[in-house]
Amino acid sequence: TQLLEQSPQFLSIQEGENLTVYCNSSSVFSSLQWYRQEPGEGPVLLVTVVTGGEVKKLKRLTFQFGDARKDSSLHITAAQPGDTGLYLCAGVGNNYGQNFVFGPGTRLSVLP
Amino acid sequence: EAQVTQNPRYLITVTGKKLTVTCSQNMNHEYMSWYRQDPGLGLRQIYYSMNVEVTDKGDVPEGYKVSRKEKRNFPLILESPSPNQTSLYFCASSFSSTVLNTEAFFGQGTRLTVV
Repeated sequence: TQLLEQSPQFLSIQEGENLTVYCNSSSVFSSLQWYRQEPGEGPVLLVTVVTGGEVKKLKRLTFQFGDARKDSSLHITAAQPGDTGLYLCAGVGNNYGQNFVFGPGTRLSVLP
Repeated sequence: EAQVTQNPRYLITVTGKKLTVTCSQNMNHEYMSWYRQDPGLGLRQIYYSMNVEVTDKGDVPEGYKVSRKEKRNFPLILESPSPNQTSLYFCASSFSSTVLNTEAFFGQGTRLTVV
């Protein structure tokens, strides 16, 4: 099984601060996805990155895929309380059938 | 509305009493899977199905069964639940297991407590 690690595990910040969370693996993935999960709900896809070195922006969120396609980062600028949630990265690999491998998540709390 | 529907949302049961958690999707997706989510362990795959009548074990299949008789439904069966199966369960579906950019759509989760 390919494993994904995420850091930090927990993050509590004030509204308006910037933050970066990381997703790392020793394995290469064909693509990597970021999901956000709010309490009482299932994860919802934020972005998919495919090409090594790729950078995607979604409003205040910036996602980057490492050159070697083993790691990714999510940067949030001027965090807001609505950004609070569990951020999960998922590696989409080449294993037949097991196409999603999820990291343990980073639990973000943005205080007003 | 495109969605994955799980039932029930909450369930408290006793050890050994068989139960089924249903999952249905209306997007004609080929690929469906079940995960359990536990604190600090993230989402761990229990079983997956690449299409009708095709199922296979994920990372933590012990104590669970599944079936895929129809494309839209993928029930999770616990024949003899034990307290270590207390967890938050998610069903997910995606268009295909071979399309690399495919998105996983999740149900709202079933919180199971086995006493």
